[in-house]
Amino acid sequence: DIQMTQSPSSLSASVGDRVTITCRASQGISNYLAWYQQKPGKVPKLLIYAASTLQSGVPSRFSGSGSGTDFTLTIGSLQPEDVATYYCQKYNNAPYTFGQGTKLEIK
Amino acid sequence: QVQLVQSGAEVKKPGASVKVPCKASGYTFISHYVHWVRQAPGQGLEWMGIINPSGGSTSYAQKFQGRVTMTRDTSTSTVYMELSSLRSEDTAVYYCARGGRATGGFDYWGQGTLVTVSS
Repeated sequence: DIQMTQSPSSLSASVGDRVTITCRASQGISNYLAWYQQKPGKVPKLLIYAASTLQSGVPSRFSGSGSGTDFTLTIGSLQPEDVATYYCQKYNNAPYTFGQGTKLEIK
Repeated sequence: QVQLVQSGAEVKKPGASVKVPCKASGYTFISHYVHWVRQAPGQGLEWMGIINPSGGSTSYAQKFQGRVTMTRDTSTSTVYMELSSLRSEDTAVYYCARGGRATGGFDYWGQGTLVTVSS
């Protein structure tokens, strides 16, 4: 099975900072990559699909890039409401594996 | 509006089974696959399996093969996830999630059902 590895596992940044989270697949998955945001005590929310397409209603400060095995999620200007854990996920075929998550905090 | 509504929390003894419903509304039930994802306390998201509500076909994560069964009832637009031989490590929030068609990923999620396994 393809493994999904995120880095870092946690990070702390200041409001207004540009934040980047990386996700690596152990084999190529083309662009079948989604990103989710999960705020504490809440249900996961789809942010980005097809590696770089913003889900409807998601703020434009979020962006995604990559193809094949290496992907990034970027928050252009960090806001206090972005405190959450972020997960990547492959969805080209089963198993639809998630990365282990990146916990983002405000410094 | 699209909704996936799950049942309330459950407490089960080790060795028992749990069956969690997920009732869909606001879209054509048979047009979207439904996935099950679980999250143990303080842990990440774990994909369990998928069901095609149209024909009922399923695919399960290897970890749960033999213990999980996903079914659907098209008359009530409900999918079910049953997990048997429960152990303490199965204590988690269980989510159903709709697979996107025009989009990828899981575009709508149920509110989650906490299953606690304890003697």
